[in-house]
Amino acid sequence: DAGVTQSPTHLIKTRGQHVTLRCSPISGHKSVSWYQQVLGQGPQFIFQYYEKEERGRGNFPDRFSARQFPNYSSELNVNALLLGDSALYLCASSLGGQGQFFGPGTRLTVL
Amino acid sequence: GIQVEQSPPDLILQEGANSTLRCNFSDSVNNLQWFHQNPWGQLINLFYIPSGTKQNGRLSATTVATERYSLLYISSSQTTDSGVYFCAVGPGGGNKLTFGTGTQLKVEL
Repeated sequence: DAGVTQSPTHLIKTRGQHVTLRCSPISGHKSVSWYQQVLGQGPQFIFQYYEKEERGRGNFPDRFSARQFPNYSSELNVNALLLGDSALYLCASSLGGQGQFFGPGTRLTVL
Repeated sequence: GIQVEQSPPDLILQEGANSTLRCNFSDSVNNLQWFHQNPWGQLINLFYIPSGTKQNGRLSATTVATERYSLLYISSSQTTDSGVYFCAVGPGGGNKLTFGTGTQLKVEL
């Protein structure tokens, strides 16, 4: 079975722009979570979605938003990009009771 | 929120050596996972171990939930074991994970 997939792999944007990152969970997984990992730190929780409903939100500004689609795939949107948004963005899916499984990530660079 | 501390922060081993990585957490949890992050950023699942002991080849892990710590054992280390090892904890299987600061492991020939 395919693992969690994310697109794009890499992305370069300039300050003030908007970005959309995409994630497809493992088949059968209904929960998707997003994490931000800046260089030298562990991943930080941004959002969790389950059955298209937001179930958790981390300490991120309103410029960050997300949604989950009927096929359980998800998008993370970031508006008004700042230099500090440069990071690896990780998506994880879970079925419950077996932990979370992570995709390869999208590396975002904001210039 | 819950605090997660990992030790040591950095570790250098000769190939073939054994090591123990530690994860302490500040509150009771229902989910504890160990990950290996490779140089390309991929988080590879090692163990889902909210309690008890598990083994997978040269790796094993033990979580003592009542004492709020977990240990990851690496035996007969290989250069491919190099990378960052993260412990992450959470309230349940599909909910928010809080990650530790990681242990940077380098295995040398």
